[in-house]
Amino acid sequence: GAGVSQSPSNKVTEKGKDVELRCDPISGHTALYWYRQRLGQGLEFLIYFQGNSAPDKSGLPSDRFSAERTGESVSTLTIQRTQQEDSAVYLCASSLPGTKSSYEQYFGPGTRLTVT
Amino acid sequence: LAKTTQPISMDSYEGQEVNITCSHNNIATNDYITWYQQFPSQGPRFIIQGYKTKVTNEVASLFIPADRKSSTLSLPRVSLSDTAVYYCLVGDGTGGFKTIFGAGTRLFVKA
Repeated sequence: GAGVSQSPSNKVTEKGKDVELRCDPISGHTALYWYRQRLGQGLEFLIYFQGNSAPDKSGLPSDRFSAERTGESVSTLTIQRTQQEDSAVYLCASSLPGTKSSYEQYFGPGTRLTVT
Repeated sequence: LAKTTQPISMDSYEGQEVNITCSHNNIATNDYITWYQQFPSQGPRFIIQGYKTKVTNEVASLFIPADRKSSTLSLPRVSLSDTAVYYCLVGDGTGGFKTIFGAGTRLFVKA
């Protein structure tokens, strides 16, 4: 079946502009994660959604970052007033619910964000 | 919070067995240990998962000692295409769903 898709694949924006990144998880995957990966670095947890439960936003680096998810489907990550340090690849992953399954995550190809 | 430690990089030759160890001293009781592989310009890909003892699939083996404070990913007979970054993943130590990726181990397989 279809995997996790993300759009756009690449985004170049000017400092101070807002950007919106989209993630379409695998159908039936109620858990959804957003990560940030800077060049040459590991993955940095941003936010986690599970069904209709309150999201875990503990990884969001500042109040310029926010994310929403409509039910168990599409999620959007919004970065307001972008800064150059926001330049990174933003990865989305989805999984089935449950402790064991939540660690078996399926990743999208990512959105490469460049802030000029 | 849980933290993982892996070697930054490893070199190997084609046909050799490669073992990558990850330490996770503060792993929570209900945490699973999961390993991922990431190629350049791609998202990570699930390789294997375990809770304790040994797990084997068609790609790799995962060894977890009784205290679960470390784990070793074993890749048998690596090929050039196994050149990638390998991450171990555990929970954040609270038993919740926040997942902590380590810095990863860059494996370079030479001919």
